[in-house]
Amino acid sequence: GAVVSQHPSRVICKSGTSVKIECRSLDFQATTMFWYRQFPKQSLMLMATSNEGSKATYEQGVEKDKFLINHASLTLSTLTVTSAHPEDSSFYICSAIRDTDLPGYTFGSGTRLTVV
Amino acid sequence: GQNIDQPTEMTATEGAIVQINCTYQTSGFNGLFWYQQHAGEAPTFLSYNVLDGLEEKGRFSSFLSRSKGYSYLLLKELQMKDSASYLCAPMDSNYQLIWGAGTKLIIKP
Repeated sequence: GAVVSQHPSRVICKSGTSVKIECRSLDFQATTMFWYRQFPKQSLMLMATSNEGSKATYEQGVEKDKFLINHASLTLSTLTVTSAHPEDSSFYICSAIRDTDLPGYTFGSGTRLTVV
Repeated sequence: GQNIDQPTEMTATEGAIVQINCTYQTSGFNGLFWYQQHAGEAPTFLSYNVLDGLEEKGRFSSFLSRSKGYSYLLLKELQMKDSASYLCAPMDSNYQLIWGAGTKLIIKP
């Protein structure tokens, strides 16, 4: 089955620093990857949609200069949280989809970011 | 607008059966997913319905009625490990998943 690897699973960083989260599709080519954020006891919130080789599409209210997304290959997308602040502490999850092979959504294992 | 409505929390007994209902409104429809999410973990895929009717997969079954904007997830022979949140997520016309807050299922011995 489709496997998506997300790394790191947990990260603690100091306020003002940047953190990069990687999302890799291990056994399929992911033309589209999604980045979500989830606060405790709340629903998944889509942050952005990234397509290989093009700029990511950000949801309303998500700062594209703060959350940098790069989808340089069909198997790798990265999310960089720049100048992190404590309010950025959250659970970040990526998901990838095969071309049009529904139900092809596969989630990474998530990254717990804590900014101190 | 687009929205999902499912109960916030349900409690059931080990070995019993529980049905988690979901009603939805979306801009277009390309099927509905159910995911299981344990605390602190990413969601895992349970089922996908695109046509009306019941899909059975082991202890879990999922039902869809497109005309009613309604789905349910049926869990049989409940086990303690089934304690988790269950997320109903329809897919809209842009193939985007629409997420609700999910139903937290508590299983008691």
